[in-house]
Amino acid sequence: AQKVTQAQTEISVVEKEDVTLDCVYETRDTTYYLFWYKQPPSGELVFLIRRNSFDEQNEISGRYSWNFQKSTSSFNFTITASQVVDSAVYFCALSEEETSYDKVIFGPGTSLSVIP
Amino acid sequence: KAGVTQTPRYLIKTRGQQVTLSCSPISGHRSVSWYQQTPGQGLQFLFEYFSETQRNKGNFPGRFSGRQFSNSRSEMNVSTLELGDSALYLCASSEARRSNTEAFFGQGTRLTVV
Repeated sequence: AQKVTQAQTEISVVEKEDVTLDCVYETRDTTYYLFWYKQPPSGELVFLIRRNSFDEQNEISGRYSWNFQKSTSSFNFTITASQVVDSAVYFCALSEEETSYDKVIFGPGTSLSVIP
Repeated sequence: KAGVTQTPRYLIKTRGQQVTLSCSPISGHRSVSWYQQTPGQGLQFLFEYFSETQRNKGNFPGRFSGRQFSNSRSEMNVSTLELGDSALYLCASSEARRSNTEAFFGQGTRLTVV
């Protein structure tokens, strides 16, 4: 069965610190997709990244970077030089090719507070 | 272009009543998915529609239903409301299934059942 675990429920960092959000997933499919979403207080989920299971290259986008390691079933997210605007709940998610690309299984989320 | 629009934003209903929530996807998007978000259960997939057909359904009772219209707008209905149905209901749209585009979420409808 598919499952996404985000062990960190809440994290607080001081502005400009780096922070890594952990994500561990479980799936039996060989083809799957991993996502990160940000949910600010306004409520809507903001897409950050999608990764398919065949692409293990790490990715960097500005202050954001992602480390995908199939060997440990992890897809961690790092924010460099955090800012107050990064305060939000972050969700890691998984969808499996065999069941449906559009049925996304979300982790419980990590609430990040960046303190000025 | 306009984002995903969900109406209403807030709703208060009484136990036993029914409710209909609406989602207007981004123009051109044909896939609409619905999710329920609660503090206890987190984000859970409800169902997904594509071209007016329900393609996938999550593990929710039959009181939860939905439909999609020819213009891709979608509605979800919850009958015989229970206190536990209080949640933020999120709708997401995307261009097509298995596409390389991401899903865009609306701001949600916050339903309170009293």
